[in-house]
Amino acid sequence: EDKVVQSPLSLVVHEGDTVTLNCSYEVTNFRSLLWYKQEKKAPTFLFMLTSSGIEKKSGRLSSILDKKELFSILNITATQTGDSAVYLCAVGVQGAQKLVFGQGTRLTINP
Amino acid sequence: DSGVTQTPKHLITATGQRVTLRCSPRSGDLSVYWYQQSLDQGLQFLIHYYNGEERAKGNILERFSAQQFPDLHSELNLSSLELGDSALYFCASSTSADTQYFGPGTRLTVL
Repeated sequence: EDKVVQSPLSLVVHEGDTVTLNCSYEVTNFRSLLWYKQEKKAPTFLFMLTSSGIEKKSGRLSSILDKKELFSILNITATQTGDSAVYLCAVGVQGAQKLVFGQGTRLTINP
Repeated sequence: DSGVTQTPKHLITATGQRVTLRCSPRSGDLSVYWYQQSLDQGLQFLIHYYNGEERAKGNILERFSAQQFPDLHSELNLSSLELGDSALYFCASSTSADTQYFGPGTRLTVL
């Protein structure tokens, strides 16, 4: 069964800290890995990664994929209270036409 | 705003009833995906339609069904509702295989 596991499940840090969120996966036919941010309602797309070792960056957020070790990390530097959210990792599976989501990491940034 | 619309935003109904949730994808997107998100289960893939045809099924109960119409909007029908069906139901749409954009969701409460 395809599986995506995120860690930690919950993280509380102070504003200005740097955080690293982890996502590991076991799927039959990997196609891509995606990160989403979910605040109060709908998940919003952050990154899609398909190639190992190539960092994707958007402002203070960055992510990288390791297809050999089957994991990805999402880094957030100089965190702000607006970064508080649940961060979801999902894997696209070849031929299955679906995304498999992890449980999410609930990140809380305290002022 | 992702461009995906869902109605209604909230729905409160009783056990045994039937409801219909509606989704309009982003302009130009042919794929529509339905997900269920409950507190203890995370985001669970239900079903995927592409240009009116069912493409993939996830953990969708037999009491649930969906369809995609010629104008590409989609409906998710939930029948014989149980307390455990209370959840957030998301629709997402995409053009590429994996980058899915989520609607605001419908919160279903079954009493």
